[in-house]
Amino acid sequence: EVQLVQSGAEVKKPGESLRISCKGSGYSFASYWITWVRQMPGKGLEWMGRIDPSDSYTNYSPSFQGHVTISADKSISTAYLQWSSLKASDTARYYCASSPRRIAVAVQGGMDVWGQGTTVTVSS
Amino acid sequence: DIQMTQSPSSLSASVGDRVTITCRASQSISSYLNWYQQKPGKAPNLLIYAASSLQSGVPSRFSGSGSGTDFTLTISSVQPEDFATYYCQQSYSIPRTFGQGTKVEIE
Repeated sequence: EVQLVQSGAEVKKPGESLRISCKGSGYSFASYWITWVRQMPGKGLEWMGRIDPSDSYTNYSPSFQGHVTISADKSISTAYLQWSSLKASDTARYYCASSPRRIAVAVQGGMDVWGQGTTVTVSS
Repeated sequence: DIQMTQSPSSLSASVGDRVTITCRASQSISSYLNWYQQKPGKAPNLLIYAASSLQSGVPSRFSGSGSGTDFTLTISSVQPEDFATYYCQQSYSIPRTFGQGTKVEIE
C-alpha cells in the first residue's frame, strides 16, 4: 500500500527545537517530491515547502524560509520538518504529501497521497 | 507569490443541489490547478488535478473547469458525504499557494 506515515503529536515549550518525520512506503520514495503543509487551528492550508528526496534539493515559501528546515534521508524513505526555536505561533497540524500514485498527477503538481498529520502544540 | 481567491467562503446546500465553487488566480496559471476536499480532523484528499482531470476513485459528480485565471469546481448533485471544506491550489509556480477554502454545509 502506498502511504505516508507521520510521527506522533508533540507538545513543546517556546524556544525548544523539534523535528517531525514523514515515512513513505509502497513506492519509490526518492522519485517524488515531498511537500509540507501547515494548518493552524481552524484555518486553511498553507504550502510551506518541498524536497526532492533524490538529492535533497528544496524549495521554500518565503513565509517559512529561515524558520523551518526540510530534509530527507532517502535510505530510510523519510522526510523531516524541523524547527530550531519554536514559537507559540507554530502551533498547528502539519501534513506531508506527495504524488506517487499517478504520473499525470505528479507532472501537474497535484498531491495524491497525504500523511495523517502531526499536531504540534507550543505552549509555556 | 500567486494569490488564490475562492468564493464563496461558505455555502449552505441541500442534498441533491448543484454546488459551484470558484477560484481565481492573481495571474495566469494555465491549467495548473488542483482541488482538494478536507473533512474535519482528516488530511486533504485530491479530487481534481490539471483543472479538469478527475482523480481516480473520485465520484463523477465532481467536475472541474477553467484555465488561465478562473476556475470552477462543480458538484452536480451534492451528497451527504460531500459536506466538507474545499481548497484550490495552484501548481504553476513556487510557492504553490492554496485558496482560503470554501466550507460546504448542510442547509
